[in-house]
Amino acid sequence: TQLLEQSPQFLSIQEGENLTVYCNSSSVFSSLQWYRQEPGEGPVLLVTVVTGGEVKKLKRLTFQFGDARKDSSLHITAAQPGDTGLYLCAGVYNNNDMRFGAGTRLTVKP
Amino acid sequence: DAGITQSPRYKITETGRQVTLMCHQTWSHSYMFWYRQDLGHGLRLIYYSAAADITDKGEVPDGYVVSRSKTENFPLTLESATRSQTSVYFCASRLAGSQYFGPGTRLTVL
Repeated sequence: TQLLEQSPQFLSIQEGENLTVYCNSSSVFSSLQWYRQEPGEGPVLLVTVVTGGEVKKLKRLTFQFGDARKDSSLHITAAQPGDTGLYLCAGVYNNNDMRFGAGTRLTVKP
Repeated sequence: DAGITQSPRYKITETGRQVTLMCHQTWSHSYMFWYRQDLGHGLRLIYYSAAADITDKGEVPDGYVVSRSKTENFPLTLESATRSQTSVYFCASRLAGSQYFGPGTRLTVL
């Protein structure tokens, strides 16, 4: 049973489109992280959100932490082929235990 | 600027053989982790270490052994490999809540 559910599992869009991926759990987290992983490489940390309702922006990427600190979303504006990859969310519990979702595999076609 | 290195990058072995995956970091981070990544499961924690000579089980420790005699090295041993241990293995270190992953080892057990 996955403690963190990510949706959709797969997403294929055209360059220039907007998209949102979701990370949901029944657990409350002290913080939540988003990673991006490219084929043959390890995940790379994109952002950490800590406060309920927090919104962080990283260029065309917008990350939001739910008010109850149980869910998060990642919105990409005007997606580009370079955004292609596996996006993973990871919830951090109060004891510093971290659990990962299965990921959303994004393909952006030129 | 090596960061975290893993070796070998690819390994094919047979059921019942002992296999050791190596992980080396150049930063002297206290915390180090071993994950396995499988389709549909995301990243699952095998073992972690808070410091040299301190290790603890993660979510899926059965069939694995770790040691940490030096801060910079964290080898993972499969004492008697099974087909279910075919996976991609990632080593990571952590500093101030941010995890840094190695490039991974793709292990196939025949």
